[in-house]
Amino acid sequence: KQEVTQIPAALSVPEGENLVLNCSFTDSAIYNLQWFRQDPGKGLTSLLLIQSSQREQTSGRLNASLDKSSGRSTLYIAASQPGDSATYLCAVARGSTLGRLYFGRGTQLTVWP
Amino acid sequence: DAGVTQSPTHLIKTRGQQVTLRCSPKSGHDTVSWYQQALGQGPQFIFQYYEEEERQRGNFPDRFSGHQFPNYSSELNVNALLLGDSALYLCATGRDRAGANVLTFGAGSRLTVL
Repeated sequence: KQEVTQIPAALSVPEGENLVLNCSFTDSAIYNLQWFRQDPGKGLTSLLLIQSSQREQTSGRLNASLDKSSGRSTLYIAASQPGDSATYLCAVARGSTLGRLYFGRGTQLTVWP
Repeated sequence: DAGVTQSPTHLIKTRGQQVTLRCSPKSGHDTVSWYQQALGQGPQFIFQYYEEEERQRGNFPDRFSGHQFPNYSSELNVNALLLGDSALYLCATGRDRAGANVLTFGAGSRLTVL
């Protein structure tokens, strides 16, 4: 059974700091890994997707890395802003069948001015 | 281009009642997956529909059932509601093509069971 763990559960930082969010998974036989953002009471917005053959993906101030052999991924947020405040969820897909993702509980991020 | 549309956005039911939630997929998408997200938890996979059939199912009881229509829209039905069914129900849609595994999520339906 695939289990996904995210550390820390919550993080509160001043604006401008560089952040690292961690995700680990128990079964390294993954198809891909995604990072999502969720605002309170809202749905999920995909931020970055890393295929199992890739090591990292970048989008603007976000960079995600994947070490499949050790079952770990990190999401790096550069120069954090108050608008980055949200819950960040990590999810892995075990196979190519579209739809089934295994999620962690998320990291709740607060960036204060 | 409209994304994934879910209805209703909020609803309140009492224990023992039945509820139906609806999802309209993003244009061009033909698979629909449903997730349950309890407060403070990550989403849990309920099931997935493709070509009007349930293709995968997570660890949820038979009280949870679904349907996909010819236009690819979908319904999630929950019978004999329990307090523990209170959650945000998310619909995610995608295109069933080789190498594709990118989902688009709706905003969710918030169910409260009293």
